Amino acid sequence: QQQVKQSPQSLIVQKGGISIINCAYENTAFDYFPWYQQFPGKGPALLIAIRPDVSEKKEGRFTISFNKSAKQFSLHIMDSQPGDSATYFCAASRAVAGRRALTFGSGTRLQVQP
Amino acid sequence: SQTIHQWPATLVQPVGSPLSLECTVEGTSNPNLYWYRQAAGRGLQLLFYSVGIGQISSEVPQNLSASRPQDRQFILSSKKLLLSDSGFYLCAWSPQGAWGYTFGSGTRLTVV
Repeated sequence: QQQVKQSPQSLIVQKGGISIINCAYENTAFDYFPWYQQFPGKGPALLIAIRPDVSEKKEGRFTISFNKSAKQFSLHIMDSQPGDSATYFCAASRAVAGRRALTFGSGTRLQVQP
Repeated sequence: SQTIHQWPATLVQPVGSPLSLECTVEGTSNPNLYWYRQAAGRGLQLLFYSVGIGQISSEVPQNLSASRPQDRQFILSSKKLLLSDSGFYLCAWSPQGAWGYTFGSGTRLTVV
């Protein structure tokens, strides 16, 4: 019940296309859903995040869509660029014993071809 | 502003040797601190977290240990490294009660 399932494991998109990464969760105690972007040899960096009372959040070319009833959320990267090539992790956060616990998906390796 | 420092960036150690990785956070007080491990091409595995000085919780039983000797210092150690300890080790911090995790730049450990 603590898992966050992420798909696909890898994704190849042409430059200018739309990249879509999907995540699903079971635990309704999760109340914050961030996405992290990781370049090779670097630590993950926060990309965008959403609360479950919002169905969509957009920041530039990045959009999170959230479906609370289905317990699913997804990241859309519009006009994908080669510089977007990285590994993307979805995550879900909940309060646990005085701290915020973060559960990560397994990651999606995105390759944007020029 | 808050920053997180992690070193060394890369490390090659023989099997059976000790390990000490250090992480420090600047610009905040009483942070929650975390150690993660990432195997090649894999996801993020939480190893340890700490909500205060001397308070360490282990998520996965293994050959590693963690300590928090100061408020903003988190150390990952091993007495004798195994080949399976190879990986990318990430330190992270979050404010008390807040969700935002900030990761360090990581240490690439290769045990040979």
